[in-house]
Amino acid sequence: TQLLEQSPQFLSIQEGENLTVYCNSSSVFSSLQWYRQEPGEGPVLLVTVVTGGEVKKLKRLTFQFGDARKDSSLHITAAQPGDTGLYLCAGSTSGTYKYIFGTGTRLKVLA
Amino acid sequence: EAGVTQSPTHLIKTRGQQATLRCSPISGHTSVYWYQQALGLGLQFLLWYDEGEERNRGNFPPRFSGRQFPNYSSELNVNALELEDSALYLCASSPGRHTEAFFGQGTRLTVV
Repeated sequence: TQLLEQSPQFLSIQEGENLTVYCNSSSVFSSLQWYRQEPGEGPVLLVTVVTGGEVKKLKRLTFQFGDARKDSSLHITAAQPGDTGLYLCAGSTSGTYKYIFGTGTRLKVLA
Repeated sequence: EAGVTQSPTHLIKTRGQQATLRCSPISGHTSVYWYQQALGLGLQFLLWYDEGEERNRGNFPPRFSGRQFPNYSSELNVNALELEDSALYLCASSPGRHTEAFFGQGTRLTVV
C-alpha cells in the first residue's frame, strides 16, 4: 500500500513560472524529507521538515509541512531548467519501520 | 566525508543467475536501506538493516535477500534473476532509525 501520494505526477512548465508539488498521506509522519533525483543518479536530499506547520526555504524552493504532519508541499519560484528532475517526498510513520517514498513528481522546465 | 558508495555501477546478468550488489554507508551510519527503482517508476522499498539485523522488508519474493556486516556495509543478493528484476538498485544510509537517508549512485542491473 502506497502511503504517500504526490501530485501532479508530471509537470512541464516554462522557465520563470512558479509551481507547487504536493505530498499527501492519511498517516502521520514523524518527519518528512524531500529529494530530487536526476536520471541514473540516486536521490539527493533537499530538506527535512519535522514540526507541524514548519516552513523551510532553500533559495527558490519553499517547503511546508502540514499542521497535522500528514502532508507537505514544495513550491518553486521562477523555475529554471536546472530544476528539472524527479521530486520525491519520503518519511516514516510511527511503528512501521519502513522509510517510504512518494509516487514522485517528474518536473521538466523548458528554456 | 565520503558518501554512500555502491558497487558495481553496472551489472549485466542472464536469467536464472545470481547477482550480488554491495553498499558502503557513510561513516557512523548504522542503518542501510535498499530500494528498487524500475525504469520510469518510483522507489520501492526492499530491505532495511540496522545494527546488523534485518528490521523490515518490502513486498518482494524471498529470492531478494541481503545482510549487513559488522562494519555496517551491506550486500543485496538476488537469486534466480528474472527479466523484470532489471532496475536501478539504490542503497541509502542514515544515522538512525526514521531519519533522512543519503543515497548512493546506485547499481544498474540488467537481466538479459
